[in-house]
Amino acid sequence: SQQGEEDPQALSIQEGENATMNCSYKTSINNLQWYRQNSGRGLVHLILIRSNEREKHSGRLRVTLDTSKKSSSLLITASRAADTASYFCATVTSGANSKLTFGKGITLSVRP
Amino acid sequence: KAGVTQTPRYLIKTRGQQVTLSCSPISGHRSVSWYQQTPGQGLQFLFEYFSETQRNKGNFPGRFSGRQFSNSRSEMNVSTLELGDSALYLCASSRRTSGRESYEQYFGPGTRLTVT
Repeated sequence: SQQGEEDPQALSIQEGENATMNCSYKTSINNLQWYRQNSGRGLVHLILIRSNEREKHSGRLRVTLDTSKKSSSLLITASRAADTASYFCATVTSGANSKLTFGKGITLSVRP
Repeated sequence: KAGVTQTPRYLIKTRGQQVTLSCSPISGHRSVSWYQQTPGQGLQFLFEYFSETQRNKGNFPGRFSGRQFSNSRSEMNVSTLELGDSALYLCASSRRTSGRESYEQYFGPGTRLTVT
């Protein structure tokens, strides 16, 4: 069952623009992660944000986490055609033997 | 450091057959997880292995099983294949040791299984 739900399901932007993707989840979490997947290949880990963190940066990526609203957002600045991919948020709940639970993903298309 | 490798990359099987997929984690990673990805259900967790023991299991029928060897390599097996088992099967490894840690996972390229 999906814990995270991404929004929008699909996003199309022009190269150079910023892309904002949102993720909402249902239960308390230990951390939230964002992954990228190119065209049916393996996933690549982008960033991990812990439940006691509010914002994190990595290069052109900025992730925020609002545990009171149970939501997160991923911002990609100055997008490039190479950013075209599916993006997934995944949550890790607290407790022993927790596991990653993925949302259904957002398809991002960056037009050259 | 070599990444996660999965073999085979593509597989075509017939309903009723069984299949075994293999995964070699990143060197030093002892935790291996398996996921099934389909257009309809998205990414679904199958199971996680650590030190040759299944530590966590998703909501899949008993036809799906796995194991892990002493060198951390893992295999998953699906018996009595059904058309609905057609999917991309992804393996991921992590540095995770304790079940309570935060961890990032490193994914292999996947095995594309088609059941006809």
